[in-house]
Amino acid sequence: SQELEQSPQSLIVQEGKNLTINCTSSKTLYGLYWYKQKYGEGLIFLMMLQKGGEEKSHEKITAKLDEKKQQSSLHITASQPSHAGIYLCGADWGSEKLVFGKGTKLTVNP
Amino acid sequence: NAGVTQTPKFQVLKTGQSMTLQCAQDMNHEYMSWYRQDPGMGLRLIHYSVGAGITDQGEVPNGYNVSRSTTEDFPLRLLSAAPSQTSVYFCASSYRGMSEKLFFGSGTQLSVL
Repeated sequence: SQELEQSPQSLIVQEGKNLTINCTSSKTLYGLYWYKQKYGEGLIFLMMLQKGGEEKSHEKITAKLDEKKQQSSLHITASQPSHAGIYLCGADWGSEKLVFGKGTKLTVNP
Repeated sequence: NAGVTQTPKFQVLKTGQSMTLQCAQDMNHEYMSWYRQDPGMGLRLIHYSVGAGITDQGEVPNGYNVSRSTTEDFPLRLLSAAPSQTSVYFCASSYRGMSEKLFFGSGTQLSVL
């Protein structure tokens, strides 16, 4: 069974709209990483969350980790075409390796 | 500061051919790893290294070899390419561990015909 679920798999929004991507773990997270991938490029680190209830923001992107440390959300406010790409979450379950979700493909239409 | 450099960016192979994907980092990171990315499968770990001379298998190691003779370089070898190895390959490095912040290369898109 899938232990790290990302939803939705894909998302199409109009420029200026807000959106949320979720990452749900079947196990307690030691840490949760968010990465963004643009077509033809590698993954760029966005944010890392470790503490239950933690919230971090960078420009118009906010990531949160729930109190139970099993779910994280990535929220983009007033989306822009530059936000388009694939967003991946990576879970640290204390096994010394990150496990990645399948990714969420975001399209932002002008 | 180049970060993690992967070559080539694109490659087409015939079944049975061998090739090496190159990965180099200039950040003096001890930890390096190779992932493959397939549609609907996310990123899967192929092999990793915790330092020069030390390598280990990840989730999907079959058909691939690695070596780590220097801190900077971590090449991935396909011994006899198969169509199932058609994928996008990413090399990554990190300073403090495999479950820490990873720095990724720009990827190699490989097609095996």
